[in-house]
Amino acid sequence: QQQVKQSPQSLIVQKGGIPIINCAYENTAFDYFPWYQQFPGKGPALLIAIRPDVSEKKEGRFTISFNKSAKQFSLHIMDSQPGDSATYFCAASMIQGAQKLVFGQGTRLTINP
Amino acid sequence: GAGVSQSPSNKVTEKGKDVELRCDPISGHTALYWYRQSLGQGLEFLIYFQGNSAPDKSGLPSDRFSAERTGGSVSTLTIQRTQQEDSAVYLCASSVGPGQQRAFFGQGTRLTVV
Repeated sequence: QQQVKQSPQSLIVQKGGIPIINCAYENTAFDYFPWYQQFPGKGPALLIAIRPDVSEKKEGRFTISFNKSAKQFSLHIMDSQPGDSATYFCAASMIQGAQKLVFGQGTRLTINP
Repeated sequence: GAGVSQSPSNKVTEKGKDVELRCDPISGHTALYWYRQSLGQGLEFLIYFQGNSAPDKSGLPSDRFSAERTGGSVSTLTIQRTQQEDSAVYLCASSVGPGQQRAFFGQGTRLTVV
């Protein structure tokens, strides 16, 4: 029930393409869904996050789509650039109560020039 | 400080030795997390501290692992009698507190047990 399943494990996209990374969760008590970006040798950095009261959130070239009934959410990167090449993690937690972040397994994204 | 600081950045230890990993969270952050990231894997939750509340230790993999947080600030993760499977990057994160979930991560401590 605490798991967050992320796919694909790896993804290669041409520059300008729109990579999409998907996550699914089981615990309906989760009410905070962030995405983290991690470059080699660095700690994860928060990219964008969404609460379940909205179906979509955009920040720059990054968009989260959220489907509460399906318990799924996804990250889209518009006009992808080689500098976006990194590992992306989705996560979920509860704002109140057990607040630990539960992470997906990560997606290694490569944007080819 | 400006960000979450972890030390050492790298640690090589012999199997069976004890190690201590340190995390200095962002000043004023009441929540502190430890995660473990094995090579090419996701982040495995270890322990969570929130203010003066009892920590959530549900992710600690064995009784060889322990953590404390002194004065609500600096935290130390201790691994006793290290094993080769303990080799991983240990990440610490902090956040402002309840209802403020944005967690900031340190760069991690890469632990290698030989």
